[in-house]
Amino acid sequence: AQKITQTQPGMFVQEKEAVTLDCTYDTSDPSYGLFWYKQPSSGEMIFLIYQGSYDQQNATEGRYSLNFQKARKSANLVISASQLGDSAMYFCAMRGFTGGGNKLTFGTGTQLKVEL
Amino acid sequence: KAGVTQTPRYLIKTRGQQVTLSCSPISGHRSVSWYQQTPGQGLQFLFEYFSETQRNKGNFPGRFSGRQFSNSRSEMNVSTLELGDSALYLCASSPRQGRDGYTFGSGTRLTVV
Repeated sequence: AQKITQTQPGMFVQEKEAVTLDCTYDTSDPSYGLFWYKQPSSGEMIFLIYQGSYDQQNATEGRYSLNFQKARKSANLVISASQLGDSAMYFCAMRGFTGGGNKLTFGTGTQLKVEL
Repeated sequence: KAGVTQTPRYLIKTRGQQVTLSCSPISGHRSVSWYQQTPGQGLQFLFEYFSETQRNKGNFPGRFSGRQFSNSRSEMNVSTLELGDSALYLCASSPRQGRDGYTFGSGTRLTVV
């Protein structure tokens, strides 16, 4: 079984500041992938970044980076230089690659609000 | 290229009715997964289809069913609707079973009254 925990229901950040959204996970699968998605009020889930469990380096995609600490089972999302358009719900998700099937397990999400 | 298309975008149904939702994956993607999102339960996996076969199923009652066609388009059906079925239903496609990422559609927002 897999479990994703996001302990921050809501976060506020000033425009142009960096923000870290926390995510911890639990799995018995030795090989897995971690994902972050953004969900604006329109409902669509927008893929942000992916980290494989055997990747040696932390993933980065533009202003998004993933702080992956395997031993601590954490996969925090860092957004640099926040913009007003970053205001949305953010979900951490994982997928196991051995026996887990092709499904994602999601956390409960963090609502991010970027302020002027 | 076109993204994942879900139709209809919004739907209002009465308790006891049935509903069919449609998902057209990205061209070339053979895996389609469905998720239910509610304020109380969050995002929950419904089922996954690959090459017209259901490969994985979440913990939902038999009223929830689905299928996939030879062109990879998928439909999900909910029979005997209950108020608790009101949710955003999201479809995701990926190229194949494996390590690939998932692309989600905009969802179908179902309201049961």
